[in-house]
Amino acid sequence: DAGVIQSPRHEVTEMGQEVTLRCKPISGHDYLFWYRQTMMRGLELLIYFNNNVPIDDSGMPEDRFSAKMPNASFSTLKIQPSEPRDSAVYFCASSLWAKETQYFGPGTRLLVL
Amino acid sequence: KNQVEQSPQSLIILEGKNCTLQCNYTVSPFSNLRWYKQDTGRGPVSLTIMTFSENTKSNGRYTATLDADTKQSSLHITASQLSDSASYICVVSVKNNNDMRFGAGTRLTVKP
Repeated sequence: DAGVIQSPRHEVTEMGQEVTLRCKPISGHDYLFWYRQTMMRGLELLIYFNNNVPIDDSGMPEDRFSAKMPNASFSTLKIQPSEPRDSAVYFCASSLWAKETQYFGPGTRLLVL
Repeated sequence: KNQVEQSPQSLIILEGKNCTLQCNYTVSPFSNLRWYKQDTGRGPVSLTIMTFSENTKSNGRYTATLDADTKQSSLHITASQLSDSASYICVVSVKNNNDMRFGAGTRLTVKP
């Protein structure tokens, strides 16, 4: 299995632009998580899905952030409009069940200028 | 105040030595505690998951302990190797939902 796949690996954009991050979870995993990691705040859970349905989005910082999971093999995290403070590494992870081991992707390093 | 406190913030040890990382939490009600290893520039990798009833869990040279009464966990690394250099993150989950609280991590450097 290729593991969790994220794209792009790096993204540099200008403030105000729309950014879309993509994730392909491990096949058969029913849970998908989006995280953000910064030096200041560490690792933060943004949102997670169960069987493609968003369960808890309380970690999403504000309305500029949105996430979708149109099918079991694909999810997107969108930031519109992006701001410099959104610069971070965004991880996607998947697991079989909520309390089981989560497998992380390599992350997308986002820089908003 | 963070509900999960890790110590030390950073640690430098010589190759071959043992070390212990600490995680204290106030999260309640408790569901499980996870230790992750994160290499620089990579995603976190799960080392152990422990529930309330588990006191010890090992994964190779990594041994995690949990004292649910005192709300403390430790991660012991035996015979450290250069490849153990990484950040180690403690994550505590809340019972009945998937709410998670993250520690800030301990940055371990193993020197030859």
